[in-house]
Amino acid sequence: GEDVEQSLFLSVREGDSSVINCTYTDSSSTYLYWYKQEPGAGLQLLTYIFSNMDMKQDQRLTVLLNKKDKHLSLRIADTQTGDSAIYFCAERMDSSYKLIFGSGTRLLVRP
Amino acid sequence: NAGVTQTPKFQVLKTGQSMTLQCAQDMNHNSMYWYRQDPGMGLRLIYYSASEGTTDKGEVPNGYNVSRLNKREFSLRLESAAPSQTSVYFCASSERRGGDTQYFGPGTRLTVL
Repeated sequence: GEDVEQSLFLSVREGDSSVINCTYTDSSSTYLYWYKQEPGAGLQLLTYIFSNMDMKQDQRLTVLLNKKDKHLSLRIADTQTGDSAIYFCAERMDSSYKLIFGSGTRLLVRP
Repeated sequence: NAGVTQTPKFQVLKTGQSMTLQCAQDMNHNSMYWYRQDPGMGLRLIYYSASEGTTDKGEVPNGYNVSRLNKREFSLRLESAAPSQTSVYFCASSERRGGDTQYFGPGTRLTVL
């Protein structure tokens, strides 16, 4: 079945690295996404990775994909207070229009 | 480009009232989607439209109808609102059939009393 799980909450100190984790169950997932949602706003795409990749880096963001364990992570380097938000991972199968979302991880960055 | 726009931003309804949520995109995307977001949960797909002229049910379609008016616009209608439909509603669009990257609107916060 389709299921995406994330931890609910993460608190880090400003300047530290944040690692947000996600697990998914469907091995046929071909695209995996990270979205950011700030309070009262819509979802903003941060980055995505194709399932044939292990890693993708984009400025302060690093995405790691372990297909064997169906584990996806988002690392934010030098975390800033502006990074405080809810982060959603989502998966999509190539044959489907649907995105399956996790319930989101609330990141709190302490000064 | 405005991207994906939604109206209204906020709405309060009484049980049994009807309303239509509007969504438009100016990115020439083929596919459009309606999601609802409830506290502590991710987004759940209500309906989607893979291309102009087609609509399909998502995960939670009961109590909703949709219309793909043209390539730009995709509306969501609540015929008889219920308190269980209190939620934040997001519209999204994506470039091609099968989806690629979905771009989201700012959301409509709906309260049904």
